[in-house]
Amino acid sequence: RKEVEQDPGPFNVPEGATVAFNCTYSNSASQSFFWYRQDCRKEPKLLMSVYSSGNEDGRFTAQLNRASQYISLLIRDSKLSDSATYLCVVNLNYQLIWGAGTKLIIKP
Amino acid sequence: DAGVIQSPRHEVTEMGQEVTLRCKPISGHDYLFWYRQTMMRGLELLIYFNNNVPIDDSGMPEDRFSAKMPNASFSTLKIQPSEPRDSAVYFCASSPKDLYEQYFGPGTRLTVT
Repeated sequence: RKEVEQDPGPFNVPEGATVAFNCTYSNSASQSFFWYRQDCRKEPKLLMSVYSSGNEDGRFTAQLNRASQYISLLIRDSKLSDSATYLCVVNLNYQLIWGAGTKLIIKP
Repeated sequence: DAGVIQSPRHEVTEMGQEVTLRCKPISGHDYLFWYRQTMMRGLELLIYFNNNVPIDDSGMPEDRFSAKMPNASFSTLKIQPSEPRDSAVYFCASSPKDLYEQYFGPGTRLTVT
């Protein structure tokens, strides 16, 4: 089993819809979690940190479920510009473990 | 702010040649990271530095790879000798004081023939 797993997708979603995807991690001692966004042939960019209590930034909501060992990202009212690959990152004892990413395609 | 600067942006070289990738982190950032990204293996952390000191190089694939950070504004990743399986996009990233809020450079696309 991989340490950090993501559904590679692609998720094909109509504009305006809500979409959610998860990232599971194998080590329960993992300490902190992040979502990055990567556009095609570009560098990753930090989207948001994931806090234990959950956090929201505009249309984006991140949640952490420690019992089931996954984090989630929810995007409301999706825009064409949300099309990208979403990477989760898990910190385990100052080792950063990256997921392979979930590809999201928003269709008009 | 100029962001993280990497050079060259593209590099094509023949197997066996030495390759040097360069990175200038954002001024004032204490951490610098080198990553490699391929379709097969995704994004892999190779090594990271804190205040110019290598902290974790467990991701460096083998002795052919070496990284240095002679000062706070410059780092190199060297591959000698290069092999076709080293073909990838190599990213450099820096972060201020926090290990996790990383700012990535545009990457160097390396092709080894």
